[in-house]
Amino acid sequence: AQSVTQPDIHITVSEGASLELRCNYSYGATPYLFWYVQSPGQGLQLLLKYFSGDTLVQGIKGFEAEFKRSQSSFNLRKPSVHWSDAAEYFCAVGTSGTYKYIFGTGTRLKVLA
Amino acid sequence: DAGVIQSPRHEVTEMGQEVTLRCKPISGHDYLFWYRQTMMRGLELLIYFNNNVPIDDSGMPEDRFSAKMPNASFSTLKIQPSEPRDSAVYFCASSFRVGGETQYFGPGTRLLVL
Repeated sequence: AQSVTQPDIHITVSEGASLELRCNYSYGATPYLFWYVQSPGQGLQLLLKYFSGDTLVQGIKGFEAEFKRSQSSFNLRKPSVHWSDAAEYFCAVGTSGTYKYIFGTGTRLKVLA
Repeated sequence: DAGVIQSPRHEVTEMGQEVTLRCKPISGHDYLFWYRQTMMRGLELLIYFNNNVPIDDSGMPEDRFSAKMPNASFSTLKIQPSEPRDSAVYFCASSFRVGGETQYFGPGTRLLVL
């Protein structure tokens, strides 16, 4: 069965520091992979997605993610975090021809000034 | 585009009352999804529609929940009667195609059942 694991429930970083949020998935075929961000009281906004091709994908707000098939991972990175990046981040996996996204449990990011 | 629109943004009701949540998908999108988000269970897909037709409602928790999509620009999720355990944030999302196409989420309706 498909599953998505975000091992870090909370992460705290200082403003200007680099960030990496981890996401591991379990699926037999090549999945569609997504990162969404949810600010307090808001809906989910797509940061980036991977369907195929280049395994390093660029997203909005300076985020990028790298698909590593051998590690079943799709980690989200940002070289320099801004205070406005404080939010909850969700990794999700979908599959071709199906409607179901499986969401991870989320990682809440706190940014210290 | 205005994005996915949901109303109300907040709803407080008493146990046993009927609750109706509303969603307007992005124009031109032919898939509509209803999700529920709670601390305990995270994001759960409740039901989804394709071209106004319910395709899979296996995520609907029980018969107290029902959803309709009378036309391409409007959907409702109804809870009758409501219970305190229904308290959650309910999201509507829409997409142009299924199977990897991006789902665009509305701002959600925060429901509190007392």
